[in-house]
Amino acid sequence: AQSVTQLGSHVSVSEGALVLLRCNYSSSVPPYLFWYVQYPNQGLQLLLKYTSAATLVKGINGFEAEFKKSETSFHLTKPSAHMSDAAEYFCAVSSGGYQKVTFGTGTKLQVIP
Amino acid sequence: SAVISQKPSRDICQRGTSLTIQCQVDSQVTMMFWYRQQPGQSLTLIATANQGSEATYESGFVIDKFPISRPNLTFSTLTVSNMSPEDSSIYLCSVYREGIQYFGAGTRLSVL
Repeated sequence: AQSVTQLGSHVSVSEGALVLLRCNYSSSVPPYLFWYVQYPNQGLQLLLKYTSAATLVKGINGFEAEFKKSETSFHLTKPSAHMSDAAEYFCAVSSGGYQKVTFGTGTKLQVIP
Repeated sequence: SAVISQKPSRDICQRGTSLTIQCQVDSQVTMMFWYRQQPGQSLTLIATANQGSEATYESGFVIDKFPISRPNLTFSTLTVSNMSPEDSSIYLCSVYREGIQYFGAGTRLSVL
């Protein structure tokens, strides 16, 4: 069984401030972890993925996430928020391969000018 | 990567009618997935569609309500049958390729 918990359904940050979106996972096997972003009226776009290689994963648009097994976490960060980062972010987990992907409930990021 | 086209992008339908959503992928894939995203909620997997076999449905979803076709390796359809307002959602097509699930832009369905 696998599950994902995203803490905070809404997060607001000022433009230029640190972005931190929290994700904790549960998996009975070594997990594959993903962050997706959904802009208004669009589908999901992959930001980054962890597949048992380096624990610090760098993605697109300046985002990165760190896999911490001891904390079962995969938090998403960006040093400086930009207005264009306003979107909904989904953390997801799978067992790899063609296995089912389970999504968290999403976090809406608001960037304040 | 994968380029996925979904049609229609949005529709408004009457209660009791059916809508068929089409999904076209830019190259062949073994498995295609259909997800539902209800308002304010996360994505829920409806079913997995393999070419040449019946789709595999997740708990809570049945073939009579969500029939799926997969006639070839680049195309699939999802039908939402006998619609009610509770079916108002975004329906997304997805494919798995090289360790990543890619998504279409979704079909935004409103049922009146």
